[in-house]
Amino acid sequence: NAGVTQTPKFRILKIGQSMTLQCAQDMNHNYMYWYRQDPGMGLKLIYYSVGAGITDKGEVPNGYNVSRSTTEDFPLRLELAAPSQTSVYFCASSRLGRPYEQYFGPGTRLTVT
Amino acid sequence: AQKVTQAQTEISVVEKEDVTLDCVYETRDTTYYLFWYKQPPSGELVFLIRRNSFDEQNEISGRYSWNFQKSTSSFNFTITASQVVDSAVYFCALSEARAGGTSYGKLTFGQGTILTVHP
Repeated sequence: NAGVTQTPKFRILKIGQSMTLQCAQDMNHNYMYWYRQDPGMGLKLIYYSVGAGITDKGEVPNGYNVSRSTTEDFPLRLELAAPSQTSVYFCASSRLGRPYEQYFGPGTRLTVT
Repeated sequence: AQKVTQAQTEISVVEKEDVTLDCVYETRDTTYYLFWYKQPPSGELVFLIRRNSFDEQNEISGRYSWNFQKSTSSFNFTITASQVVDSAVYFCALSEARAGGTSYGKLTFGQGTILTVHP
């Protein structure tokens, strides 16, 4: 049981490049979330999903897109990377009926230069 | 809108000292959950505790204790006899708890408090 996995662990992007941050969970959780953590700050919700095919915006969705074609996977897409997107990205999941028990992945550290 | 404030940016103590991390929250919801997470230097987030808004009983778990006071909208965290391994960033967080699960567990985090415990 791997829990929540994220790839890659680290990435450096040039301004304007695109990339997809991968997130997968093997706990059959309905809910999945993407947060970003800027230096010296708490986490902020980017997008979340309550099930396959259903996604919604969080607090800071601009510059990102998500999709949820399967229960297991919840990729986060950056289309035109900007320095303001330099951050650590955390994926989390929780099960139906207990959305407050979120299990977090190890994070992806992204630098945009 | 929800808000969580951790006024202490950094705290430095010597091992075996007691230390309290403050957390003040704002919400219009009548029912909600409060959380504390630990983020050690390795970066992962470790869940410590969840509290329902209708349960103001204080909780103790080993060297950790939590004081929830609805009247002052505070949910403070105390580490007794601190140890070097307690050095981490600690986050307080809030989630609404609407009936039917429509809140979907969205968390609002505070800015975090960096705790350094010196030997």
